[in-house]
Amino acid sequence: SAVISQKPSRDICQRGTSLTIQCQVDSQVTMMFWYRQQPGQSLTLIATANQGSEATYESGFVIDKFPISRPNLTFSTLTVSNMSPEDSSIYLCSVDFTDTQYFGPGTRLTVL
Amino acid sequence: GQNIDQPTEMTATEGAIVQINCTYQTSGFNGLFWYQQHAGEAPTFLSYNVLDGLEEKGRFSSFLSRSKGYSYLLLKELQMKDSASYLCAALDSNYQLIWGAGTKLIIKP
Repeated sequence: SAVISQKPSRDICQRGTSLTIQCQVDSQVTMMFWYRQQPGQSLTLIATANQGSEATYESGFVIDKFPISRPNLTFSTLTVSNMSPEDSSIYLCSVDFTDTQYFGPGTRLTVL
Repeated sequence: GQNIDQPTEMTATEGAIVQINCTYQTSGFNGLFWYQQHAGEAPTFLSYNVLDGLEEKGRFSSFLSRSKGYSYLLLKELQMKDSASYLCAALDSNYQLIWGAGTKLIIKP
């Protein structure tokens, strides 16, 4: 399996600010994913990030709000821009490794 | 549209057996995953089925019927630590995971 770390593990932010979440994996992977999970709900895919190409965003998510970087095969960042309380959620990084998705520990974001 | 259905919540007794069902409708199908998620933690991979039949892995087994669009996760000899949410996810023709809302399993002593 792949081992994934995320930073920060949690943060409390003010409305209107931005937060960048980092995801590091211990193996080189082509596909990385960013998910959001509201309390008590299932996972919602934000975007798919492949190294060397622009991220592909799901319906309801746009690059201006959630810019993503994928500089190499082991690292990605997700920025939550101009935050509002509705952005309070857990953000999860995931990778496709040997045809299975493995998840990072998540970043718990609270926006005041 | 694409859809995954699984019960919202189930309760079972320590030491017993529980079966969590999942039905799916996807555009194309490339397999069915089960994940376990403890409260406040990330999902962890449990099983993957792409062929019909039962896959056994210790106390956990997963079954798939492609013709019926149906899967179940069977947990035997339940332990208190099995209290968690269990997420069913189907891989569609674009190799994108379609997630169910999860089944919260409560284990009582």
